Amino acid sequence: AQTVTQSQPEMSVQEAETVTLSCTYDTSESDYYLFWYKQPPSRQMILVIRQEAYKQQNATENRFSVNFQKAAKSFSLKISDSQLGDAAMYFCALMDSNYQLIWGAGTKLIIKP
Amino acid sequence: GAVVSQHPSWVICKSGTSVKIECRSLDFQATTMFWYRQFPKQSLMLMATSNEGSKATYEQGVEKDKFLINHASLTLSTLTVTSAHPEDSSFYICSARDQALTNEKLFFGSGTQLSVL
Repeated sequence: AQTVTQSQPEMSVQEAETVTLSCTYDTSESDYYLFWYKQPPSRQMILVIRQEAYKQQNATENRFSVNFQKAAKSFSLKISDSQLGDAAMYFCALMDSNYQLIWGAGTKLIIKP
Repeated sequence: GAVVSQHPSWVICKSGTSVKIECRSLDFQATTMFWYRQFPKQSLMLMATSNEGSKATYEQGVEKDKFLINHASLTLSTLTVTSAHPEDSSFYICSARDQALTNEKLFFGSGTQLSVL
């Protein structure tokens, strides 16, 4: 069975600083995608960043970057220069060959002004 | 970018009544739509996968007679909660895959908060 584990229920960071959210996963598939989604209080799911498993280069989207360690099955999200608008629930997700998403439990990110 | 319109945003109903939630892909054709349920402070739980023109595939433990899914066109999928009870109160979200794209992109609706009295 495929699983996604987020071991940090809650994280807090000072505004303008950097924070890393952890995610580990397990899959037997050789080709898959990994995602980080943000869910603000509006509850709209927003794609933050995605990574193709076959790509060794870590994905980057402005202040958001990932550390993808395929052998270790680790996929952490780094948020640089944290802003108040980054406060949200962050979900790590794995997409299988049927395009279904397997979700982690989520990490609540608090930004301290 | 692609938009998935989900309605209603919230609905309150009496126990025993049925509620229909709609998800429309506004500017693309969605061969596949996914329906999720989310309890407060929890992650999304996949309920079912619907493919246009065929029966939905339900996840284990999800009652298909309770949660009726119809995907009659490439732009519309509906979830009907039949004979709703208070335990069905939850946040329901749909997501859709654009058949024109060969990649993994999914587009999410804005969700429906169902409260059953």
